[in-house]
Amino acid sequence: NAGVTQTPKFQVLKTGQSMTLQCAQDMNHEYMSWYRQDPGMGLRLIHYSVGAGITDQGEVPNGYNVSRSTTEDFPLRLLSAAPSQTSVYFCASSAGGGAYEQYFGPGTRLTVT
Amino acid sequence: RKEVEQDPGPFNVPEGATVAFNCTYSNSASQSFFWYRQDCRKEPKLLMSVYSSGNEDGRFTAQLNRASQYISLLIRDSKLSDSATYLCVVSGTGRRALTFGSGTRLQVQP
Repeated sequence: NAGVTQTPKFQVLKTGQSMTLQCAQDMNHEYMSWYRQDPGMGLRLIHYSVGAGITDQGEVPNGYNVSRSTTEDFPLRLLSAAPSQTSVYFCASSAGGGAYEQYFGPGTRLTVT
Repeated sequence: RKEVEQDPGPFNVPEGATVAFNCTYSNSASQSFFWYRQDCRKEPKLLMSVYSSGNEDGRFTAQLNRASQYISLLIRDSKLSDSATYLCVVSGTGRRALTFGSGTRLQVQP
């Protein structure tokens, strides 16, 4: 039981490039979410999903896309990377939904130059 | 005003000390409350849920005051291993997600 896994651990992009951050969980959780963490600002919700085929925007969705084709996977796509997207990205999942305990992956550290 | 506010610290305390953190939240409709712990360059992990009647887990005690909209965490007999950032977390609007405070950093010194 690996819990929540994320790849890659580190990534450097140039402005304008696109990429996908991968997230997978093996706990059969319906709820999954993506957060970004910046110094002094706490974790901010980007997108979330309450089940396969259902996604919705969080607090800071601009510049990011998500899809949820399976219960296990919830990839986050950066469409055209900008320096403002330099951050640490965490994926999380929950058995009970968005208001319940969430389990986090180890994070992806992204730098956009 | 931030939805969840915490004193960023750092709180520097000697081993064995008792330390308390407070947190205030703005959404009176919040129903779920948690303290998470985050070690440097690691993911947040649940420390404990916070219940209306208050709850204790070993050296850790959490309290909730709904009327004043604040949550507290008390750590007794601090250990070096308690050094971390403690995140105050409440359920957000429509129960769709959790709202995180920026965290309070604790450094326990020998």
